[in-house]
Amino acid sequence: SYELTQPPSVSVSPGQTASITCSGDKLGDKFVCWYQQKPGQSPLLVMYQDTKRPSGIPERISGSKSGNVATLTISGTQAMDEADYYCQAWDVSTAVVFGGGTKLTVL
Amino acid sequence: QVQLQESGPGLVRPSETLSLICSVSGGSISNGDSYWSWIRQSPGRGLEWIGYIYYTGTTYYKPSLKSRVTTSVDTSKNQFSLNLRSVTAADTAVYFCARGRSSSGAYYFDFWGQGNLVTVSS
Repeated sequence: SYELTQPPSVSVSPGQTASITCSGDKLGDKFVCWYQQKPGQSPLLVMYQDTKRPSGIPERISGSKSGNVATLTISGTQAMDEADYYCQAWDVSTAVVFGGGTKLTVL
Repeated sequence: QVQLQESGPGLVRPSETLSLICSVSGGSISNGDSYWSWIRQSPGRGLEWIGYIYYTGTTYYKPSLKSRVTTSVDTSKNQFSLNLRSVTAADTAVYFCARGRSSSGAYYFDFWGQGNLVTVSS
């Protein structure tokens, strides 16, 4: 079955840039989206189709992809950005696939 | 603004059937570009997609759950539902309903319910 791999945790200082990666076989041929989930809340879509931001998501959150690695970048990280982040893609054999999630800590 | 709300029991006994309903407001479930999905999250774990149903009744399930999952849609009530048979403790999770969208090969969930914790225990 298809898998997406994310680092379990990423730490960043306030005001700095955080980068969260998501890798998978032939991910370059698929579209990736990202969700932010804070404790006790539902996931929130923050990026879709690799680089598109839904309405209401700040411009300091951006998405990119190079080869088989997608990256969610948060510039000027704030305490409110501390959350779990999940990538997700569609694969013809497995349908919807989520990454294992990355806990972003703002130190 | 589309809103989704899960409802159903919080406790299910092992070997029985877990049943949940998702009520949709702020938009029609018959919207042709929406795929109505169920996703779960075990305590302290990641997200797991269960399956989706289209307003026509067409379904698509995660292969490993396919044998135990049934979903249905009631367009008159703007609701869709999940039945998961023969549950075990491993099915204990927060169950979310969500609206799936598809665009140019991309697939993503733009609106989610608040989640319904279901515990499987005797």
